[in-house]
Amino acid sequence: SQTIHQWPATLVQPVGSPLSLECTVEGTSNPNLYWYRQAAGRGLQLLFYSVGIGQISSEVPQNLSASRPQDRQFILSSKKLLLSDSGFYLCAWTPGGAYGYTFGSGTRLTVV
Amino acid sequence: GQSLEQPSEVTAVEGAIVQINCTYQTSGFYGLSWYQQHDGGAPTFLSYNALDGLEETGRFSSFLSRSDSYGYLLLQELQMKDSASYFCAALSGAGNNRKLIWGLGTSLAVNP
Repeated sequence: SQTIHQWPATLVQPVGSPLSLECTVEGTSNPNLYWYRQAAGRGLQLLFYSVGIGQISSEVPQNLSASRPQDRQFILSSKKLLLSDSGFYLCAWTPGGAYGYTFGSGTRLTVV
Repeated sequence: GQSLEQPSEVTAVEGAIVQINCTYQTSGFYGLSWYQQHDGGAPTFLSYNALDGLEETGRFSSFLSRSDSYGYLLLQELQMKDSASYFCAALSGAGNNRKLIWGLGTSLAVNP
């Protein structure tokens, strides 16, 4: 069966520090991968998605970047965090073109 | 632009029936999904409608009318555990670059 792992669960980082969040999927190959951010009490904002290794599409220009170094690994990074980067970060996957997204458990990031 | 509209809050009592409506405006529409998110948790997939009509899964049903750009989620025999946020999301785009456009979510409170 397929599983998605996302870590860490919570993170408190100072302004200006770097960020690296990792997401991996097991039990499938060539998944579509997504990074979302959710502000408190708000909807989901798509940040990046990837349909294959090295293929990254950015939805919102901002302080973040994403990479997909391996088929089932998706990394969200920042060189210098801003206060506005605080939020709940969610990784999701789906078989290419399919409709049912499966989300990781999320990382709650607080920038102080 | 692409957008989905749903009520921000709904309140109901245990055992009742509640309907959460969603209207959408997207290009390249494929279908409408519904997700449930409990406080502090990640969204979980509930249903997907690609064709007009009603899809039933236990106590939850979802409806789509493509001609009206409208859908709803129907929750029957409400239980306290159904208190959560519910998101509609439209699958749109082309080929392997299809992605979800999300509504802002409806917070459902189920009272005794």
